[in-house]
Amino acid sequence: IAGITQAPTSQILAAGRRMTLRCTQDMRHNAMYWYRQDLGLGLRLIHYSNTAGTTGKGEVPDGYSVSRANTDDFPLTLASAVPSQTSVYFCASSLKAGGEETQYFGPGTRLLVL
Amino acid sequence: GQNIDQPTEMTATEGAIVQINCTYQTSGFNGLFWYQQHAGEAPTFLSYNVLDGLEEKGRFSSFLSRSKGYSYLLLKELQMKDSASYLCAVRDSNYQLIWGAGTKLIIKP
Repeated sequence: IAGITQAPTSQILAAGRRMTLRCTQDMRHNAMYWYRQDLGLGLRLIHYSNTAGTTGKGEVPDGYSVSRANTDDFPLTLASAVPSQTSVYFCASSLKAGGEETQYFGPGTRLLVL
Repeated sequence: GQNIDQPTEMTATEGAIVQINCTYQTSGFNGLFWYQQHAGEAPTFLSYNVLDGLEEKGRFSSFLSRSKGYSYLLLKELQMKDSASYLCAVRDSNYQLIWGAGTKLIIKP
C-alpha cells in the first residue's frame, strides 16, 4: 500500500441498506477525514479524527458514523442509506491536524443510492 | 456563515497565462490552500498561503491578501494537462478546511 486507499471504488446501493466505506493509509498520519463531493458544491466534511481513538463531527454528519480504532484505518458507515447520500466520497489524511499540514486524498468511492 | 467564492468555469489558450480568483468569508483564518482536481480523480495539493504576498512554485503562483479576504492562483505557460478543476480552501478558526466549489479550467489549443 502506498498513500491512501479506499474501497470500494464504486457501489450501487438500495435505499435502507447499511454500507461501510473503507479507508486505509500507510503514511502514519495522525489526522484523517471523510468528505463528500457533490456537483456544484465544495467538498463538505462529514467526520474527522485528529488522532487514533478520537473522532469529531464535521459539517454534514447526519446519517454517517465513523470509528478510529488504530492509526491506519478510518471506516465510514451509512447506517441506512438514502438517495441524498448519492455522492463521491473522499477520505483524506494529514500528518497532524491544523497548521500548514497538507491533506492527502484517496481516490474516492462513487456511491449511488437508489 | 462561511463562504468561499470562485468562478465556476474559465477558458484559456495553451501557452497563455490565467488567473483564478478566490474570495472568502470565514470564521477565523489559519491558511489558504489551492488544490488541483482532474476529472474523476482525487484533489492534489498545489499551494499554501498563510501570510500576505506571493508564493511561487514553478509555473504556478498563489497570492494572498488577508485584509481583503482574497487569493488568486496564477498559472503560466498553460499546457493541455492543466485542464482541471482548481479548488480553493480556507482553514477556519476550528482548523477545519472550508472548500469552494472549484473553478473548472478549460485549455484550448
